[in-house]
Amino acid sequence: AQSVAQPEDQVNVAEGNPLTVKCTYSVSGNPYLFWYVQYPNRGLQFLLKYITGDNLVKGSYGFEAEFNKSQTSFHLKKPSALVSDSALYFCAVRDTNAGKSTFGDGTTLTVKP
Amino acid sequence: DTGVSQDPRHKITKRGQNVTFRCDPISEHNRLYWYRQTLGQGPEFLTYFQNEAQLEKSRLLSDRFSAERPKGSFSTLEIQRTEQGDSAMYLCASSLASVDEQFFGPGTRLTVL
Repeated sequence: AQSVAQPEDQVNVAEGNPLTVKCTYSVSGNPYLFWYVQYPNRGLQFLLKYITGDNLVKGSYGFEAEFNKSQTSFHLKKPSALVSDSALYFCAVRDTNAGKSTFGDGTTLTVKP
Repeated sequence: DTGVSQDPRHKITKRGQNVTFRCDPISEHNRLYWYRQTLGQGPEFLTYFQNEAQLEKSRLLSDRFSAERPKGSFSTLEIQRTEQGDSAMYLCASSLASVDEQFFGPGTRLTVL
């Protein structure tokens, strides 16, 4: 079985400050990990993924995420938040032996000017 | 626009009626996924196809739900004898391969009265 936890329903940061959106996962094998973003009235958009290799992955819009196997985490980060980053963020995991992905319940990020 | 289209965008139906949704994935993508999303939750896996083969179906999915992808291109999701609990956003996504990110359509919002 595979599962994802996003422990924070909401994250608030000031513009220009660093942001972190947390994600922990559970899989029986090795994980494929993904972050998606959903803007109001828009579909989910891919941000970045970890498949193998370097634990720090870089994605769209200046976002990055660090894969930590010992802590089973894949936190999303950005050094300097923008108001336009305000959106709903989803973490997803797929066991390498599975076909389907499991999504977390999402974290609403609000960046205030 | 991700290149994945869904039709209709909205559907209102009465309890007990049948409904059918269509998804057109990105043309070269051989994987197609269906999800259901309700307010405050992440996308919940329903089923997925590799080309025309339906490889996995969620155990949560009752036998009122059926999906097809007859020629490995577009897909349809049918819900028979709809219930109020079926009210949700139904999302379709496609990917080129199992390790790739998914491209999501805008969704079909179903309201069962």
